[in-house]
Amino acid sequence: GENVEQHPSTLSVQEGDSAVIKCTYSDSASNYFPWYKQELGKGPQLIIDIRSNVGEKKDQRIAVTLNKTAKHFSLHITETQPEDSAVYFCAASGMESNYQLIWGAGTKLIIKP
Amino acid sequence: EAQVTQNPRYLITVTGKKLTVTCSQNMNHEYMSWYRQDPGLGLRQIYYSMNVEVTDKGDVPEGYKVSRKEKRNFPLILESPSPNQTSLYFCASSFAESYGYTFGSGTRLTVV
Repeated sequence: GENVEQHPSTLSVQEGDSAVIKCTYSDSASNYFPWYKQELGKGPQLIIDIRSNVGEKKDQRIAVTLNKTAKHFSLHITETQPEDSAVYFCAASGMESNYQLIWGAGTKLIIKP
Repeated sequence: EAQVTQNPRYLITVTGKKLTVTCSQNMNHEYMSWYRQDPGLGLRQIYYSMNVEVTDKGDVPEGYKVSRKEKRNFPLILESPSPNQTSLYFCASSFAESYGYTFGSGTRLTVV
């Protein structure tokens, strides 16, 4: 079945620098790719998503890029701030997963002051 | 405020004592789902529901039951809880399965 791999598991960056988290997926027919942010003690929160007919999407300091040929998508956070510290999850869905989200294992992002 | 409400937030119970975790959403969402989150295992789907009276198994349904008698509510039932069901549980809802989910704040369950 569909599998989603997420790297790195932990990412530490200096405040103000950029952070990039990558996910690869196995099902070439996957067509929906969301990213969620989970802060300590809270449920995951959708921060951005992209569909397979789009290559890139931006929302202020956050962007997601999708490479369908290579079957990977990435989250880019620019000008990182302390409040960006959290665990980030990628996910993918498509026909093979019966349109249920298949989740990556998560990336703990640490912003160093 | 649009939200998914789970209750209780914390629960300690004993093996074999039936319990229900409630989940309610106020967004008129068709789709609802239950997940458990364990360290190192990420988010695993327990059950989901595409609409009223329509439910289906996720990846880890053993030991759990759900019902969807009305659109807003999707309770998770543990008929005979065991220690391996100690976990952090999240309910989520969405317009449809391939759209953004709204998650509840979580229920931390401990079975002793």
